[in-house]
Amino acid sequence: QKEVEQDPGPLSVPEGAIVSLNCTYSNSAFQYFMWYRQYSRKGPELLMYTYSSGNKEDGRFTAQVDKSSKYISLFIRDSQPSDSATYLCAVANQAGTALIFGKGTTLSVSS
Amino acid sequence: NAGVTQTPKFQVLKTGQSMTLQCAQDMNHNSMYWYRQDPGMGLRLIYYSASEGTTDKGEVPNGYNVSRLNKREFSLRLESAAPSQTSVYFCATKREGLYEQYFGPGTRLTVT
Repeated sequence: QKEVEQDPGPLSVPEGAIVSLNCTYSNSAFQYFMWYRQYSRKGPELLMYTYSSGNKEDGRFTAQVDKSSKYISLFIRDSQPSDSATYLCAVANQAGTALIFGKGTTLSVSS
Repeated sequence: NAGVTQTPKFQVLKTGQSMTLQCAQDMNHNSMYWYRQDPGMGLRLIYYSASEGTTDKGEVPNGYNVSRLNKREFSLRLESAAPSQTSVYFCATKREGLYEQYFGPGTRLTVT
């Protein structure tokens, strides 16, 4: 079993839709969770991070962590064409020395 | 304030050639990382450096060497390039005590 699993998509939605992106992880000791956004031919950009279970909101983006089910989600409200990108979830390893990434979900928002 | 910079942006090598990918950061972060990104494989850690003077292997270190030249610079060297090393290479940095990493724009390498 991979340490972090992420459905690669692709996911296509119309402008204004609510988008749900999800990851699961295998090690219950993981405590630090991040979402990165990567535009085509660019480097990953840190979008959100959370150190605990529950929700964290930033504008149209909400990150949710459920440690009991080892499930990480990113919700995008009122999606825009500019949200079209690949979204990568990441968890910090137990030593805190490295990140373990999901393979990324490619999102396309059409106007 | 450039953040994390990488040179070159693109490179084409022939099998057996060598080259060094350069990474520099002005964020005053202690930790620096080299990843490769391949279709369907995600980001995989090659090497990292927790501080100046230290380096450690990641998930896929074979065929690569690194040098942490000083706090700002971390280079990745391919001594004898192979087609399997065709990839996009990203450098990243992390502040001590935190977990979030900040990435450079990447180097696209093709080995023919």
